[in-house]
Amino acid sequence: GNSVTQMEGPVTLSEEAFLTINCTYTATGYPSLFWYVQYPGEGLQLLLKATKADDKGSNKGFEATYRKETTSFHLEKGSVQVSDSAVYFCALGSGGGADGLTFGKGTHLIIQP
Amino acid sequence: DTAVSQTPKYLVTQMGNDKSIKCEQNLGHDTMYWYKQDSKKFLKIMFSYNNKELIINETVPNRFSPKSPDKAHLNLHINSLELGDSAVYFCASSAGTGRMNTEAFFGQGTRLTVV
Repeated sequence: GNSVTQMEGPVTLSEEAFLTINCTYTATGYPSLFWYVQYPGEGLQLLLKATKADDKGSNKGFEATYRKETTSFHLEKGSVQVSDSAVYFCALGSGGGADGLTFGKGTHLIIQP
Repeated sequence: DTAVSQTPKYLVTQMGNDKSIKCEQNLGHDTMYWYKQDSKKFLKIMFSYNNKELIINETVPNRFSPKSPDKAHLNLHINSLELGDSAVYFCASSAGTGRMNTEAFFGQGTRLTVV
């Protein structure tokens, strides 16, 4: 079956630090990959996505590259802000009707001023 | 305009009660879902509903029953609530079930507390 593994937090960084959140996956076929973000008390928002190998998704300064050879989709940002504090979820969608999205366990990111 | 809206946002109820959570999407999507987020933030799909076909996740107790009056609505009814049902429930929708259509749009969540 499908699975997503991501580093668990909390991850605490200082403002303007470089961020990497690791994500690896196991899936049959060629899934689409996503990063979702959940701010405190809110629902999930799509942060970025990639639908095929070597695609790079980017949004709000965040980037992730679909690496088929390493089955990875690591999230990076060059300079984080306090407002980036949230829970980040890596997810995959393989198109199975009953499967929906398979999520990682989420990484709680805390940015200190 | 809110793309996926669910009500209520908070729901506190006693054990044994029956409750419903409503969800509506205005994106014209064919597929809707219910996800459960536990206290550790882990998200797991409960149901998906595509063009009036319900696909049941077998790990969900049969006390949980989704109802879809039309393509834009997917409500979740829960019978005989238990303490372990306390969680945040998210409704979501996507354009379809093919690999290129699995991007999901989520509602704001309903925090259910069973006391």
